[in-house]
Amino acid sequence: QKEVEQNSGPLSVPEGAIASLNCTYSDRGSQSFFWYRQYSGKSPELIMSIYSNGDKEDGRFTAQLNKASQYVSLLIRDSQPSDSATYLCAVGNTGGFKTIFGAGTRLFVKA
Amino acid sequence: DAGVIQSPRHEVTEMGQEVTLRCKPISGHDYLFWYRQTMMRGLELLIYFNNNVPIDDSGMPEDRFSAKMPNASFSTLKIQPSEPRDSAVYFCASSWTSGVYNEQFFGPGTRLTVL
Repeated sequence: QKEVEQNSGPLSVPEGAIASLNCTYSDRGSQSFFWYRQYSGKSPELIMSIYSNGDKEDGRFTAQLNKASQYVSLLIRDSQPSDSATYLCAVGNTGGFKTIFGAGTRLFVKA
Repeated sequence: DAGVIQSPRHEVTEMGQEVTLRCKPISGHDYLFWYRQTMMRGLELLIYFNNNVPIDDSGMPEDRFSAKMPNASFSTLKIQPSEPRDSAVYFCASSWTSGVYNEQFFGPGTRLTVL
């Protein structure tokens, strides 16, 4: 079992819709959770971090964490073509400083 | 403030040659990470440092790989000898101590091609 699992996609949504990206992790002791966006040919860029169960909102982005289910999600509201990218879920291990990345989900937002 | 700086941005070399990748972390950051990204294996952590000291090098694939951090503003990743399977994008990232948090900022990467 991979430590951090994501659906590779591609996930295709129309412009203006909500994109929902999901991630599961295996280390129950994990304490920090991140979503990175990576455009083709570019480096990963941190867009959301979450550390407590529940929802965290930042603009059009909402991260959701459920530690009991070992599940993290990212919702992108009012999706734009510029949101088309690969979204990497990352989980900090127990102790926090070794981060494991999922393989990423490719998102396409159709204009 | 400048972000993480990596050089070179592109490197093409022949099998058997030595390759040195360089990284300058964000000033004030005390953690530095080296990652490798390929289509097949995704983003893999190779090694990370805290206050210039290597903490975990379990991701370093073989003895051909070595990394150093002689001071807080500079790190190198060396591959000697290089092999075609080392072809990948190598990222350096840095972060700072903040409880259990570890928000990492990535450099632009070095695209390595070994012929």
